[in-house]
Amino acid sequence: KNQVEQSPQSLIILEGKNCTLQCNYTVSPFSNLRWYKQDTGRGPVSLTIMTFSENTKSNGRYTATLDADTKQSSLHITASQLSDSASYICVVGNAGNMLTFGGGTRLMVKP
Amino acid sequence: GAVVSQHPSRVICKSGTSVKIECRSLDFQATTMFWYRQFPKQSLMLMATSNEGSKATYEQGVEKDKFLINHASLTLSTLTVTSAHPEDSSFYICSAREPPVSMGSPLHFGNGTRLTVT
Repeated sequence: KNQVEQSPQSLIILEGKNCTLQCNYTVSPFSNLRWYKQDTGRGPVSLTIMTFSENTKSNGRYTATLDADTKQSSLHITASQLSDSASYICVVGNAGNMLTFGGGTRLMVKP
Repeated sequence: GAVVSQHPSRVICKSGTSVKIECRSLDFQATTMFWYRQFPKQSLMLMATSNEGSKATYEQGVEKDKFLINHASLTLSTLTVTSAHPEDSSFYICSAREPPVSMGSPLHFGNGTRLTVT
């Protein structure tokens, strides 16, 4: 069964600090892994998309890593800002074009 | 960049009435669009895949007669919640793949519709 597990479920950090969100998956055959940011009451916005051959991809202060061998990904946020407060969703696609959504990590950045 | 527009952003309706939600791809053609439902503090749950010119494909457990999907053009898909009840209250989101469609093509989401049934 294709599954995507994210941890932690929620996280509170102070403004300016770094944090790392985790995503473990069992999707097979693996095709791609996406990280999205979803502000409250809004639709998700893409941060990164990585395929099998990519180990890391950055988008500003967001850096995603992928280890296809261990089926793990992480999203690292550097120098957090109040506007980073949101849910972060890991989505994994298989070779059949089917996407499996993780449960998300709710991040709160406090001043 | 590619944009998906969803309308309305919020709607309140009385129990028993029907509500239509529109999803438009503004600067690209989308032969396939996706409809999701999201409960508070949970991730998106795929409801159905909307296919231009053909019937939608519904996920297991989703009532097709309850959630009518029409994909009449390459830029518009609609979701109609028929005979709405309070338990249908939720956040509904659509998405579309940016062409050329491939396994790694970007997936763009609308900003969602908050439906409240009283």
